[in-house]
Formats: sequence, C-alpha cells, structure tokens
Amino acid sequence: DAKTTQPPSMDCAEGRAANLPCNHSTISGNEYVYWYRQIHSQGPQYIIHGLKNNETNEMASLIITEDRKSSTLILPHATLRDTAVYYCIVRVAGTSYDKVIFGPGTSLSVIP
Amino acid sequence: DTAVSQTPKYLVTQMGNDKSIKCEQNLGHDTMYWYKQDSKKFLKIMFSYNNKELIINETVPNRFSPKSPDKAHLNLHINSLELGDSAVYFCASSLQGLAGELFFGEGSRLTVL
Repeated sequence: DAKTTQPPSMDCAEGRAANLPCNHSTISGNEYVYWYRQIHSQGPQYIIHGLKNNETNEMASLIITEDRKSSTLILPHATLRDTAVYYCIVRVAGTSYDKVIFGPGTSLSVIP
Repeated sequence: DTAVSQTPKYLVTQMGNDKSIKCEQNLGHDTMYWYKQDSKKFLKIMFSYNNKELIINETVPNRFSPKSPDKAHLNLHINSLELGDSAVYFCASSLQGLAGELFFGEGSRLTVL
C-alpha cells in the first residue's frame, strides 16, 4: 500500500490557486515528500520535493506541516494545462525508487 | 533532446507472441525502471536496475524479463503475451543522490488481442 493518501479528485477554477492535500502520517525522519503529475497519456513529470521546510519553484509551492504528517501542493494560478493526476509520494533520500509506491493520486480538473 | 525515450509508442499484437520495448536515457542516470500502468491507472513498479543489480517486483510474472546492455539502456522483453498484459509501460530513470528526481518516458501502449 502507498504511504500517502490523497483525495481522488478536485476541481479548481482557472486562474485561482489549486491546493492539493496529501497525508503521510507514517513518514520517517529521512523520507522526503515528492510530487509528480501525469497529464493525460503522458509520462509522469516531477514537480517539487521537500523534507520539512516549505519549498517553491517555478511550477508550484510545497507546504509541509511542522509534524510532517501532511503537506499541500499549491499551484498559484491554475491553468487548463494543469489538469492532470497529481501524485504525492515519500522516498528516502539517496535511494532508488524501487520501494516507492504510487497511489491513485488526485485527479485535478481546472475549469474555465 | 528527449531525456528518456522508449520505442515503440504503440504496439498491437496477438496473444502468445513475444515482444520487446526499448528504453534509452541520455541523462547519465545510474538507475532505470520499468513501470506498468493498467486500465485502472495505477502506476506499479516492475523492475529497477542499478549498476548491474536487478531488483524485481515479486508480483511480476517471469514472462517479463528486463535486459540492460549498458547503463543508458533498459529493454523489456515479454514472452507469451496474455490479454492481461495490455497496459501502458513506462520507462524511467533517476540518480541515487539527494535530489533524485524520477524522469519518465512517454510510455508504450501495448494492446494484446
């Protein structure tokens, strides 16, 4: 089973912020939180990752709670091209992904 | 330049046939993977290959065999194809380091008739 849980689907109005939650209550101290997204029929794409501090890049922001048991991916101004399935996973830094389990993710629909 | 490329993109074949999907990465990564995404859209790891060490997901039938001629290539060979093998197969690669982003190919859609 995946170590993360996410809502199966969400809607967001175009131009508004999309806030995608993820629970990882059993996360270990050496596990990072990663977010990927999969636009229809394409390969999944890396978005962002973090350990305990909030992170921001050109695609999104990642907010991790102080106890690290949950996080939120924020797309500040969602566009139609952000419609995709978003996966939250945890991974021990410096290791391969062979023990990482992708859950079903959150299907985000950005509505005009 | 495509970072992780796989061929063919589409493959339609009959039950019982043997087929291969090729994957190449030009990122200099040390680990490569094969994932299967079925009709329910779950992304499941099948194999990972790092420095000649193969790690196999135990649920994968032995009809599936990965072959890595070098660090930049990981091919997937499937014997005696079955209807249930129909899926999209994704190749991916990563570095073992701290960042270790996973880069995926565009997928190979296999349809077994």
